[in-house]
Amino acid sequence: GQNIDQPTEMTATEGAIVQINCTYQTSGFNGLFWYQQHAGEAPTFLSYNVLDGLEEKGRFSSFLSRSKGYSYLLLKELQMKDSASYLCAVMDSNYQLIWGAGTKLIIKP
Amino acid sequence: DADVTQTPRNRITKTGKRIMLECSQTKGHDRMYWYRQDPGLGLRLIYYSFDVKDINKGEISDGYSVSRQAQAKFSLSLESAIPNQTALYFCATSAGTSDTDTQYFGPGTRLTVL
Repeated sequence: GQNIDQPTEMTATEGAIVQINCTYQTSGFNGLFWYQQHAGEAPTFLSYNVLDGLEEKGRFSSFLSRSKGYSYLLLKELQMKDSASYLCAVMDSNYQLIWGAGTKLIIKP
Repeated sequence: DADVTQTPRNRITKTGKRIMLECSQTKGHDRMYWYRQDPGLGLRLIYYSFDVKDINKGEISDGYSVSRQAQAKFSLSLESAIPNQTALYFCATSAGTSDTDTQYFGPGTRLTVL
């Protein structure tokens, strides 16, 4: 079966750095996405990785290791508005997105 | 103005009723999707459409049907609603013209079936 694993919840402090991990087992791989979702709102696109390595976009970076079936999202200089759920999704061999359950990130002052 | 809109935003209905959720987009995308989201679970694909004449079942299509009325409109119907269809429903679109094929989501419809 296909599976995406990520921690259910994480807590971090304003101004700090947090790393949210995602491991996956899917039938084929055509890229990995990270989305941000505030409570009760739509998921919004953050990043896409298809090759191994780090992609940096402002305060957010995403890393991929295809051989390990592993990705992480790194958030720097945390702000209160970063409190949200972060969803990891993998595009499988049929070009369909397989979604993780999401990681709820709580930021404390 | 929002690129992907959904109506209604909230709906409470009773078991056995037929209801329709509507999605419209102004992004000019060919591909449209319907997902449901339940607490503690990932988004699950109900149906998807790669163009007006192409409709495909997703992971959990039982109890649902769809209609692609135009490139910009994709409707989801629950023929006879049941309580375990209570969930947050999202419509999404993608261009299908690049390797990334990023999906863009509407604001969601919160459906409660009593």
